Amino acid sequence: DSGVTQTPKHLITATGQRVTLRCSPRSGDLSVYWYQQSLDQGLQFLIQYYNGEERAKGNILERFSAQQFPDLHSELNLSSLELGDSALYFCASSDGPHQETQYFGPGTRLLVL
Amino acid sequence: DAKTTQPNSMESNEEEPVHLPCNHSTISGTDYIHWYRQLPSQGPEYVIHGLTSNVNNRMASLAIAEDRKSSTLILHRATLRDAAVYYCILRDVAGAQKLVFGQGTRLTINP
Repeated sequence: DSGVTQTPKHLITATGQRVTLRCSPRSGDLSVYWYQQSLDQGLQFLIQYYNGEERAKGNILERFSAQQFPDLHSELNLSSLELGDSALYFCASSDGPHQETQYFGPGTRLLVL
Repeated sequence: DAKTTQPNSMESNEEEPVHLPCNHSTISGTDYIHWYRQLPSQGPEYVIHGLTSNVNNRMASLAIAEDRKSSTLILHRATLRDAAVYYCILRDVAGAQKLVFGQGTRLTINP
């Protein structure tokens, strides 16, 4: 158990819909990262927040957005969903903004029908 | 980000040592070598990292070539629980914090 929690575990929705994925980092960790894992693209970095502020951006679509709240939990919002958004979404956390070890949650499996 | 090359798959037997290679010929002087693994149906987990010297921890050992163009993750006594995809990742000490995952090596452990 990494100490990172993600909800929900599974999500099934339809094209065009909007969903919110939630992540609670390990106690004391200030950085949260979001990654997407699909069969064709592998594991890809989406975005990082550190202490409430966006720190780094990766291959995140404009239809996706994220935020980190004062209690340090984070949410990833996916809108206008397409079939290709079906994937595993992982959240990771670390205690600082730099090269610290990242601890990954169990993931949310999203299926868009 | 500097690129790493790993074999797509490897197979070993339970209770035997496993050597997982990684080539990183374009590594820069400030790149750390990190290893993560992903067990089936789980998120990735940190294994070990190093810069120049060999490193040991409770999970594995990391052997780094003198020219740093390659490294080897060593599992001293593989168990069935070590079956996973192993990722070798380079991280610039002054660069982005994101992890850049390649295809990794899928390790199968035979009982």
